Amino acid sequence: EIVMTQSPATLSVSPGERATLSCRASQSVSSNLAWYQQKPGQAPRLLIYGASTRATGIPARFSGSGSGTEFTLTISSLQSEDIAVYYCQQYNNWRTFGQGTKVEIK
Amino acid sequence: QVQLQESGPGLVKPSETLSLTCTVSGGSISGYYWTWIRQPPGKELECIGYIYYTGRTKYNPSLNSRVTISVDTSRNQFSLKLNSVTTADTAIYYCARERVGEDWFDPWGQGTLVTVSS
Repeated sequence: EIVMTQSPATLSVSPGERATLSCRASQSVSSNLAWYQQKPGQAPRLLIYGASTRATGIPARFSGSGSGTEFTLTISSLQSEDIAVYYCQQYNNWRTFGQGTKVEIK
Repeated sequence: QVQLQESGPGLVKPSETLSLTCTVSGGSISGYYWTWIRQPPGKELECIGYIYYTGRTKYNPSLNSRVTISVDTSRNQFSLKLNSVTTADTAIYYCARERVGEDWFDPWGQGTLVTVSS
């Protein structure tokens, strides 16, 4: 099983500042990686697939990068509505998720 | 806009069978893969398995012997059965859609909490 490890567990960022979230795979997943956002009491929402392609309707401040085993989700200018838990998911071999990064306002 | 809604008992006794249904509205169940995902308290999301609208299934090997996913295209629903449950099966259960050739999930249902307890 491919293990996905996200860091940090919690990220405190001031409004308007950049947030950088990391996701590492235990073996190469090529570019077969997705990112999701989950706000309290809501279903997860797809943000990014193919490591760097934004899903329909996702604001341009969200961007994804990386390939192989190291991936990054960047929120270029944090807004209050971005407070959520963010998960990465690989789909190169079955489907496994990271444990999530909680983004909070500093 | 496609929406998914999980339904089923919120409490199941140990050793019994957990049964959930996902109703798809705003679109057809045909032409897609349909997936069950769960998240135990304090743990990461886990993909349980999926079903194609034709009935072809694939399950997580760790749960394979206990899982059955079925589809009812006439009702635009698909279902999950997990037998011989233990407290370790306590989780929020989500249903979600996958497009053919795209192994990510969009959209998801709101999720339903199932507690295994006597």
